[in-house]
Amino acid sequence: DAMVIQNPRYQVTQFGKPVTLSCSQTLNHNVMYWYQQKSSQAPKLLFHYYDKDFNNEADTPDNFQSRRPNTSFCFLDIRSPGLGDAAMYLCATSRDPAGYNEQFFGPGTRLTVL
Amino acid sequence: GESVGLHLPTLSVQEGDNSIINCAYSNSASDYFIWYKQESGKGPQFIIDIRSNMDKRQGQRVTVLLNKTVKHLSLQIAATQPGDSAVYFCAEKRWGSQGNLIFGKGTKLSVKP
Repeated sequence: DAMVIQNPRYQVTQFGKPVTLSCSQTLNHNVMYWYQQKSSQAPKLLFHYYDKDFNNEADTPDNFQSRRPNTSFCFLDIRSPGLGDAAMYLCATSRDPAGYNEQFFGPGTRLTVL
Repeated sequence: GESVGLHLPTLSVQEGDNSIINCAYSNSASDYFIWYKQESGKGPQFIIDIRSNMDKRQGQRVTVLLNKTVKHLSLQIAATQPGDSAVYFCAEKRWGSQGNLIFGKGTKLSVKP
């Protein structure tokens, strides 16, 4: 089945220790998104890639970076995690960013910062 | 650890009853709307969508109503089942904008057996 896969599902890191979260997709979608979701809140868009074109949200901290080496994979790098970065991180994909098509979400990675 | 989150609005219904979840959207230029269901510990799952040229759309056991005059969206779930228990988010988008879905705050649906 075509899907969005995130690894790991649970990640524990230490304060200030860099961490990388992974997302892959078999949908062959052009767009990949990273969202941060804190408890009882809506997902908040961090950035997205349209093919190789990176689009950062204005309020995304510099601490968050992303890489998309090919169509299938996208990574979220948190350079120096703080306690406030503990959250669920969701990856999503869509065919194109502008049209009437939904985003497909992965299961998320729960990040804990000690 | 995680910061304390907001309390979600909660709707509690009896199994078999109909549920109505409401959402007020923010941008009058939005022309595409999606309802997502998110179960605990999982990613959001697409339920149904509607474009602004429609005011009603039906799926299997779900109906979405759109009132552009008052910028209001609702999701109706018929014969609610325990498996429908989840948080429901509405999301809005403006055609041509670069992919940014704007999510509403979410409503927690609790189904009592």
